[in-house]
Amino acid sequence: DIQMTQSPSTLSASVGDRVSITCRASQSINNWLAWYQQKPGKAPKLLIYKASGLESGVPSRFSGSGSGTEFTLTISSLQPDDFATYYCQHYNSYPYTFGQGTKLEIK
Amino acid sequence: QVQLQQSGPGLVEPSQTLSLTCAISGDSVSSNSAVWNWIRQSPSRGLECLGRTYYRSKWYNDYALSVRGRIIINPDTSKNQFSLQLNSVTPEDTAVYYCARATSSGWHDYWGQGTLVTVSS
Repeated sequence: DIQMTQSPSTLSASVGDRVSITCRASQSINNWLAWYQQKPGKAPKLLIYKASGLESGVPSRFSGSGSGTEFTLTISSLQPDDFATYYCQHYNSYPYTFGQGTKLEIK
Repeated sequence: QVQLQQSGPGLVEPSQTLSLTCAISGDSVSSNSAVWNWIRQSPSRGLECLGRTYYRSKWYNDYALSVRGRIIINPDTSKNQFSLQLNSVTPEDTAVYYCARATSSGWHDYWGQGTLVTVSS
């Protein structure tokens, strides 16, 4: 299985900050990568597909980039609603695997 | 708007069978462009894709190696739903289980509400 590694595991930031989360794949996955946001007690919510495609209804402050083995999720100006846990997931070949998550905390 | 509604018991005894159902509205389990998935989440294993079923002129299933031999995912076209059966469960199978729709490309765009299943006697 392809391994997905996210960094950092925890990120402390303030409202208005620009933050980035990195996701690395153990082998090339082209641009077959999605990003999800999860809040406590809720299912993950799709933010980004195909590495940089913004899901309908997701604010434009979220953006994704990268290809091959290294990817980045950027939030341009943090809002109070953005404090949550973020996961990357590849869909290059089944079984699809997720990163271990990055918890975004209020500083 | 697609909605997925999960149902099933929250407590299963060790060695027994875990059974969950995901009812679909706003789409069809027989869609030629959707893939129907079971995913679980636990503190020890994180988010883990367990298996999927989809229809492309015939039915296909794929299962994760970690549960292969213990898992069955079945579509039910008469009720527009799909189910998960996980046999011979142990406490390691304790997790929140989600059903999810994926596009034919692979990202999961709609999720069920999640069901906490505890394996305990």
